Amino acid sequence: EVHLVESGGGLVQPGGSLRLSCAASGFTFSSHWMTWVRQAPGKGLEWVANIKQDGGDRFYVDSVKGRFTISRDNAKNSLYLQMNSLRAEDTAIYYCARDLDFWGQGTLVTVSS
Amino acid sequence: QAGLTQPPSVSKDLRQTVTLTCTGNSNNVGNQGAAWLQQYQGHPPKLLSYRNHNRPSGISERLSTSRSGNTASLTITGLQPEDEADYYCSAWDSSLSAWVFGGGTKLTVL
Repeated sequence: EVHLVESGGGLVQPGGSLRLSCAASGFTFSSHWMTWVRQAPGKGLEWVANIKQDGGDRFYVDSVKGRFTISRDNAKNSLYLQMNSLRAEDTAIYYCARDLDFWGQGTLVTVSS
Repeated sequence: QAGLTQPPSVSKDLRQTVTLTCTGNSNNVGNQGAAWLQQYQGHPPKLLSYRNHNRPSGISERLSTSRSGNTASLTITGLQPEDEADYYCSAWDSSLSAWVFGGGTKLTVL
């Protein structure tokens, strides 16, 4: 059974940093694109970034380019999102997803002073 | 990045049929189709249909998808109370190199 478990969320001040992690199990992690999607409180889904199986290709939504970095460790079956220069508008639940077919429960990131 | 267009809300009676729409352009929906996801309040999204119209294992046969040009559709027949949820479409945009989502449709079953 596919399992994705996010961690690393929390309260951070504007301008601060957080690193999200996603632990994957139940499938061959190295064979799949992986994705981060976020959802602001009461709002819709917004794709944030994704990364190819070998980490060679990475894509980002314009609003996080230069601030967020997606990465993966296939040996550890783990996906990461390094978030720097955080803004209030980055406040959201951040979901880790395998392509878009399996999703974790999400981790809440709150950017506030 | 421009998103896909979905009606914000739709209401239909129990046991009726509803079709939800999702409009994009030739770089996204018109190119590779759209995936459909369902989300209940307080829960993560769940994939209902891949872009190739295949349903993942365990998804009801009452759900079907189609595409005409730049518009994708999700049809649910025999509406049940448990179909009341938010529905999102998503497509890969080849010009943006980005996934784009619709704003979501809140389906109410009367």
